Amino acid sequence: DTGVSQDPRHKITKRGQNVTFRCDPISEHNRLYWYRQTLGQGPEFLTYFQNEAQLEKSRLLSDRFSAERPKGSFSTLEIQRTEQGDSAMYLCASSSHSDTQYFGPGTRLTVL
Amino acid sequence: AQSVAQPEDQVNVAEGNPLTVKCTYSVSGNPYLFWYVQYPNRGLQFLLKYITGDNLVKGSYGFEAEFNKSQTSFHLKKPSALVSDSALYFCAVRDRAGDMRFGAGTRLTVKP
Repeated sequence: DTGVSQDPRHKITKRGQNVTFRCDPISEHNRLYWYRQTLGQGPEFLTYFQNEAQLEKSRLLSDRFSAERPKGSFSTLEIQRTEQGDSAMYLCASSSHSDTQYFGPGTRLTVL
Repeated sequence: AQSVAQPEDQVNVAEGNPLTVKCTYSVSGNPYLFWYVQYPNRGLQFLLKYITGDNLVKGSYGFEAEFNKSQTSFHLKKPSALVSDSALYFCAVRDRAGDMRFGAGTRLTVKP
């Protein structure tokens, strides 16, 4: 499968715990995006990378959120001290330059 | 900043009938417009896009969309709906920098 992959697909955690999600983009894509989607809403932009550089971060990305793409390939999104309001689907997408974004299956986070 | 509106939360059509899912946008400069479809517990799948050229854009699974600059609209259409088209549809607009904004989504239900 040469599409965008995300791991894990589901994560249940207790409030206050840290979680980390991984995204593997389509191999030749240099841009990688993170979105958050809550029930009944469209995806909301969180941040994006061009190669290893993080070029933009949304105001939605609080200090508890951090994203990395150390070698310009896969990316990780970490949420520290999770809160119930962090429960959502976290989507990753990749694109070649600023062309069409292709999405992964998402990681569904539930914070108890 | 760019924005997208999907005025209908829900669209119901009978199988075999034509379907339309509405989208209007607001963006400074020339718009880059996209439609994505989302099935339950899945990521978004790209359907089609308008960047430039013909106002009628053809995409995957028999879908098409018509760009109307004067009405700032980009409605999604299909001549004959299938039950399997039932899903959540998202319109999105992107500016030249690559920042994507999604609508809230329209749930399409096609009844046999």
